[in-house]
Amino acid sequence: EAGVAQSPRYKIIEKRQSVAFWCNPISGHATLYWYQQILGQGPKLLIQFQNNGVVDDSQLPKDRFSAERLKGVDSTLKIQPAKLEDSAVYLCASSLAGTQYFGPGTRLTVL
Amino acid sequence: EDQVTQSPEALRLQEGESSSLNCSYTVSGLRGLFWYRQDPGKGPEFLFTLYSAGEEKEKERLKATLTKKESFLHITAPKPEDSATYLCAVQPYSGAGSYQLTFGKGTKLSVIP
Repeated sequence: EAGVAQSPRYKIIEKRQSVAFWCNPISGHATLYWYQQILGQGPKLLIQFQNNGVVDDSQLPKDRFSAERLKGVDSTLKIQPAKLEDSAVYLCASSLAGTQYFGPGTRLTVL
Repeated sequence: EDQVTQSPEALRLQEGESSSLNCSYTVSGLRGLFWYRQDPGKGPEFLFTLYSAGEEKEKERLKATLTKKESFLHITAPKPEDSATYLCAVQPYSGAGSYQLTFGKGTKLSVIP
């Protein structure tokens, strides 16, 4: 069974630029999550989707971050404009029930 | 607010030297406690879920246990390939289908040959 796919794996941008990350969950998983992991910290949830609806986005900085999950499968997370403090690994996870399975992440560096 | 504290932050063991990692937590109502392993440059890899105090689960050299306030990850006779960061996370009961995980900062384990 294929795991969670993410792209790109690495991205370097200047502050105030925009960036987008893509995630393809495990086939059949209705729930999809985006996490932010800053170096030396555990992952922090940004947003949870159930199919193509948002369940929890309470920790998403909505002035600069947006996410969508069209057709209830793939998802895109966007940052516009980026700040230095957005440098982190962005992890996508999916689940069928309670256990979440993670992708390899996208490492973002903002200069 | 849910909180997870892991100790120690880092642990160096000789190959074959058994030890335990600690995860202390506070949560309004625990749906599940999760252990993940994370290798450098990779996403967290699922290890165990524990649901109630007294529960234990084992996988190869790892055994996870759960009490009402903490969880332990016991590593028996570790090998160098067990070197990784081990993350603990709690999942509270909440309405509207939220399955949010709150993670600790992790314990970085190094096993020296």
